[in-house]
Amino acid sequence: GQQVMQIPQYQHVQEGEDFTTYCNSSTTLSNIQWYKQRPGGHPVFLIQLVKSGEVKKQKRLTFQFGEAKKNSSLHITATQTTDVGTYFCAVTGKTSYDKVIFGPGTSLSVIP
Amino acid sequence: SAVISQKPSRDICQRGTSLTIQCQVDSQVTMMFWYRQQPGQSLTLIATANQGSEATYESGFVIDKFPISRPNLTFSTLTVSNMSPEDSSIYLCSVGRGAEQYFGPGTRLTVT
Repeated sequence: GQQVMQIPQYQHVQEGEDFTTYCNSSTTLSNIQWYKQRPGGHPVFLIQLVKSGEVKKQKRLTFQFGEAKKNSSLHITATQTTDVGTYFCAVTGKTSYDKVIFGPGTSLSVIP
Repeated sequence: SAVISQKPSRDICQRGTSLTIQCQVDSQVTMMFWYRQQPGQSLTLIATANQGSEATYESGFVIDKFPISRPNLTFSTLTVSNMSPEDSSIYLCSVGRGAEQYFGPGTRLTVT
């Protein structure tokens, strides 16, 4: 089945610094999803990317899907302590009936 | 969106016993998914539960160990059978709604 890798595994940043996590696959993906899990919480859906080269923004978060649809990135501008958590990329099919397979995640710590 | 509740929220169990986890969704869904998240790890899909048919298990998970029921379109249970300390994890149910996947709060299981 489809698998994705994420780098880095951990990232510690000073508050106000930028942060980027990368998600890579050896195969072409139908789509890519991103989730955030706060410490002690459950994963929360952030976004889904479908099109080659797609870029979407949510306030300080920028999501990109590679031209070959084999990689994706999540960039956070000027991190805040509220950004602390683990960010997962995930792959799924085209419908809500399809299972979602999660990458290993990147754990972000923000030093105030 | 989807509102999902799970019971119990946490439990401490002795090895060799079984625990049944309940998942309730606020509206009807075709597929429900069960995940396991071991400490510090990503989410691993255990099985997909479709109402009216047997659950579909992922590689490494078997029905005898993790029997699943899906009696109606808003409810499912996952049983962790003959528990060992290696089963200590957070167990989460989820549903898809459009492109988004929604998760319950999880059941934190500790096996002693």
